[in-house]
Amino acid sequence: QKEVEQDPGPLSVPEGAIVSLNCTYSNSAFQYFMWYRQYSRKGPELLMYTYSSGNKEDGRFTAQVDKSSKYISLFIRDSQPSDSATYLCAMSAGNQAGTALIFGKGTTLSVSS
Amino acid sequence: DVKVTQSSRYLVKRTGEKVFLECVQDMDHENMFWYRQDPGLGLRLIYFSYDVKMKEKGDIPEGYSVSREKKERFSLILESASTNQTSMYLCASSRVGTSDTQYFGPGTRLTVL
Repeated sequence: QKEVEQDPGPLSVPEGAIVSLNCTYSNSAFQYFMWYRQYSRKGPELLMYTYSSGNKEDGRFTAQVDKSSKYISLFIRDSQPSDSATYLCAMSAGNQAGTALIFGKGTTLSVSS
Repeated sequence: DVKVTQSSRYLVKRTGEKVFLECVQDMDHENMFWYRQDPGLGLRLIYFSYDVKMKEKGDIPEGYSVSREKKERFSLILESASTNQTSMYLCASSRVGTSDTQYFGPGTRLTVL
């Protein structure tokens, strides 16, 4: 079983749709959860960061963590063509080892106008 | 804002050439990383460094070496480039702390002919 599983998509939605992106994980020690957005031919940029369980909202983006189910989600409201990108989840146990950040393989999202 | 820069956006080299990829970060981060990213395989860690002159192998170190002579600079070296090293190379840095959040450079698209 891989440590982090993420559906690669592609996911295609019309402009204005609500998008749900998800990752599951197996290591119960993970407590820091991140979402990165990566545009084509660019480096990943940090989009959202969450500690432990709960929700975090930033504009049209909401990150949700359910540690009991080992499941994290990123919701995008009122999706825009500019949201078209690959979204990578990442998580760590916070053990200061430096390499503890584990990435999903990414979900490719396409928002059509 | 954290800034991670990479020396080249696009690079074309011949098989057997020695290739240097440079990465510089301006946020005094202790940790630096080199990844390669290929379609369907996600991010794969090549090497990382948690201090000057220190280095640790990642998941796929074969065919690569690294150098970290200064805190802000981390170099990836392909001793004898091969066609299977054609890839997107991403550098990242992070601060020693609890969350292991990494910040990425824009990437170098390397093509080996």
